[in-house]
Amino acid sequence: QSVLTQPPSASGTPGQRVTISCSGSSSNIGSNYVLWYQQLPGTAPKLLIYTNNQRPSGVPDRFSGSKSGTSASLAISGLRSEDEADYYCTAWDGSLNVRLFGGGTKLTVL
Amino acid sequence: EVQLVESGGGLVKPGESLRLSCAASGFIFSSYTMNWVRQAPGKGLEWVSSITSTADYIYYGDSMKGRFTVSRDNAKNSHYLQMNDLRGGDTAVYYCAREIGTEAFDVWGRGTMVIVSS
Repeated sequence: QSVLTQPPSASGTPGQRVTISCSGSSSNIGSNYVLWYQQLPGTAPKLLIYTNNQRPSGVPDRFSGSKSGTSASLAISGLRSEDEADYYCTAWDGSLNVRLFGGGTKLTVL
Repeated sequence: EVQLVESGGGLVKPGESLRLSCAASGFIFSSYTMNWVRQAPGKGLEWVSSITSTADYIYYGDSMKGRFTVSRDNAKNSHYLQMNDLRGGDTAVYYCAREIGTEAFDVWGRGTMVIVSS
């Protein structure tokens, strides 16, 4: 069911900027909001970005989201060790009437 | 404090049924769409179902259609997932999540584990 494609892994050193991509199609990313969740080991996911590029209160401005056409990206600047987590993109698919999640990207801070 | 607490998970055999519950507190439950999301061990997130505030719209993930039924009782501030004909592939942590107007799942429970094994 997962038709949102994310790279399985990403890495960076402290202070670096990392981007995670999420590729979909016209029926999901192309026509609906993209959201991003962060999941730390052993915990429930946490909302990171909503409506493509908005941050909930409490989420540092080091995290930013963008969308262009049928792709979206999550950027993390000033990478910190506590950013080491799994990141998931998600969007509603208007053709299938289902919510899709990407396969997740495991971010490692070297 | 806004909180969601799942319960009802456990070990069942293939073909058996299980009913999960999600108890909400700290907010006006009847105003929100609720969702179930699951995560198989070592795997990614998979959306299971969505039910609007008055249950007028209900949606399911493809692999759940026909086997899972979602419901809610606004008087009890609770949300349920009835799972029938369970299979090994249904083994996962099941999370309930509150959805706000922007489609964001802003509050999550800690999850309840379902293991399907003979």
